[in-house]
This record gives sequence, C-alpha cells and structure tokens, in this order.
Amino acid sequence: GAVVSQHPSWVICKSGTSVKIECRSLDFQATTMFWYRQFPKQSLMLMATSNEGSKATYEQGVEKDKFLINHASLTLSTLTVTSAHPEDSSFYICSARRAGANVLTFGAGSRLTVL
Amino acid sequence: QKEVEQDPGPLSVPEGAIVSLNCTYSNSAFQYFMWYRQYSRKGPELLMYTYSSGNKEDGRFTAQVDKSSKYISLFIRDSQPSDSATYLCAMRGGGSEKLVFGKGTKLTVNP
Repeated sequence: GAVVSQHPSWVICKSGTSVKIECRSLDFQATTMFWYRQFPKQSLMLMATSNEGSKATYEQGVEKDKFLINHASLTLSTLTVTSAHPEDSSFYICSARRAGANVLTFGAGSRLTVL
Repeated sequence: QKEVEQDPGPLSVPEGAIVSLNCTYSNSAFQYFMWYRQYSRKGPELLMYTYSSGNKEDGRFTAQVDKSSKYISLFIRDSQPSDSATYLCAMRGGGSEKLVFGKGTKLTVNP
C-alpha cells in the first residue's frame, strides 16, 4: 500500500529560528502533495498544494514567505517554517496523491512547538 | 454555511454498539467521499472511499452516500475499544484536487 513518511514527528525550537519538515512517499511517486495544519480539536486546514517541479499554490491567508514549500522530486516535499513564533505551534500534516488516484495518503504528522 | 458540517461529538458508546457518524455538505459538485480515522497525535488513515451515491461495505464498516440529500454516513458494527479515535469525513469534486474535511467526530468505545 501507499506509505508516506513524515519527519521529524516532533520538534521544539526557539522563537525566530527556522524549522524544516520533510514528507516522503516511500513506495509511489507523488505528483501532488498537500500540507495541512491542525490545531487541537480542529479539523485539517489546507495550507498549500505542491506539484513536483513547480511552485506551490497557497491557500488564502497562508503566508508563502513564512511557510516555504519545496517539491523537488516525485517523492519528496519539504515545508520550512521560517522565523517561527509561538503562534506557529501546531500539528503539521502532509499528504500525497499518486497520479490518477482519488484518495490521499497522509503522513503521521509533525508536532511543532515554538518556545 | 460551511461546505462540510460534522458534529464534533464527543460520542461515547459501549463495546459492541453500532455507531453512526454523519456529515452534510453544501457543494453539489462533490463526487468523491472519504472517511478517515485519526488516532491522537497521528495522521489520518483512510477507512472508506466512495464515488458518487450508494453504499460500500468493508468488514465492520459501511459507508453510505446520499447525494440527493447531500448527506454521508459511516456505520461501525460491533464497535471495539480500538475504534476509539476521531473520524473525519472528507470530500472533493468539481475538478478540484482539494479535499474538504469535516471537523471530525471524536468516538470513544468503552469496554
């Protein structure tokens, strides 16, 4: 089955630093990857959609300069939270979709805590 | 009106009970309907996928889609403590790649 690996699963950083989260599709090529953010007891909020080799499409209200997304290959997308602040603390989840598929496979999520 | 409405619960049932989870939606363009299960501090995992209207059964799980009423359901038979999780409905359609999620219903199955 399709497996998506997300790393790190948990990260704590100081305010003002940058954090990179990786999302890899292990056994399939992901033409499209999605990044979500989830606050406690809330649903998943789509942040951006990334297609391999092109710029990410950000949802309204998401700062593209703050949340840098790179989809460099068909198996890897990264989310970099730049100059992180405590309000950026959240659960970030990536998902991947293979070409022609209608369902998404999700990573296990990355919990970011900014002190 | 939100695109997808889902009662967040919480829902608490005894082991062995039949559980009914529901979502309503407003966008008639939605064609693909999914149910995901999310354990605490984990990513969602796909439980059921249905295209257009109808029923789909997989073991103890049954998904129903009624497009005329814009209503989808997930039934869990013989519920087990291991079913305790948050269940999220999700859907997409109209040529959009984006999945729209419900808020999720937190389910606890008590032994």
